Amino acid sequence: EVQLLESGGGLVQPGGSLRLSCVASGFTFSSYAMSWVRQAPGKGLEWVSTMIGSGGNTYYADSVKGRFTISRDTSKNTLYLQMNSLRAEDTAVYYCAKELFNSGWRRFDYWGQGTLVTVSS
Amino acid sequence: QSALTQPASASGSPGQSITISCTGSSSDIGGYDYVSWYQQHPGKAPKLMIYDVNNRPSGVSNRFSGSKSGNTASLTISGLQAEDEADYYCSSYTSSRTLVFGGGTKLTVL
Repeated sequence: EVQLLESGGGLVQPGGSLRLSCVASGFTFSSYAMSWVRQAPGKGLEWVSTMIGSGGNTYYADSVKGRFTISRDTSKNTLYLQMNSLRAEDTAVYYCAKELFNSGWRRFDYWGQGTLVTVSS
Repeated sequence: QSALTQPASASGSPGQSITISCTGSSSDIGGYDYVSWYQQHPGKAPKLMIYDVNNRPSGVSNRFSGSKSGNTASLTISGLQAEDEADYYCSSYTSSRTLVFGGGTKLTVL
């Protein structure tokens, strides 16, 4: 059974940093692209970043480029999102999501339960 | 990258069919057959309902179908059921090698 478990959310001041983790199980982690998608309170979904399973190519939304870094540790089956220079508008539930197939990265068939990041002074 | 445009709300009675639209541009929906649709119930994670315009993942009811014409994609739900009441989001791959979501449509089953 595929499971994705996020952690690392919390309250942080504007300008601060936070690292989110997503532990994956139930599939060959290294073979699939993994992504982060966020949802501000009461708002819609926003794609944040994706890392390809092999080769490590990464992609970012313009809103986070230069501030956020996605990475993965295949030995720990864990996806990370390092978030720096946080802003109030980064406040959201952050989901990690798995690509449906072992190629491409646009279809998310499994999602974690989400971790809440609140940026406030 | 601007969000794709969806109606904020939609409604239908049990047993009816309903179609939700998602409008983008030639840089996203119109340029690729890479449109997905997600269903999200309150407090839950999204669920993939349709991928690559008109494909259903294993386990998704065949009451859900997708289509695309030009820069607009559509999700059709036939035989509406109470459990279909949820928020629905479209997404598309873009020419900038990013992904963009629609603003979401709140579906009410009357």
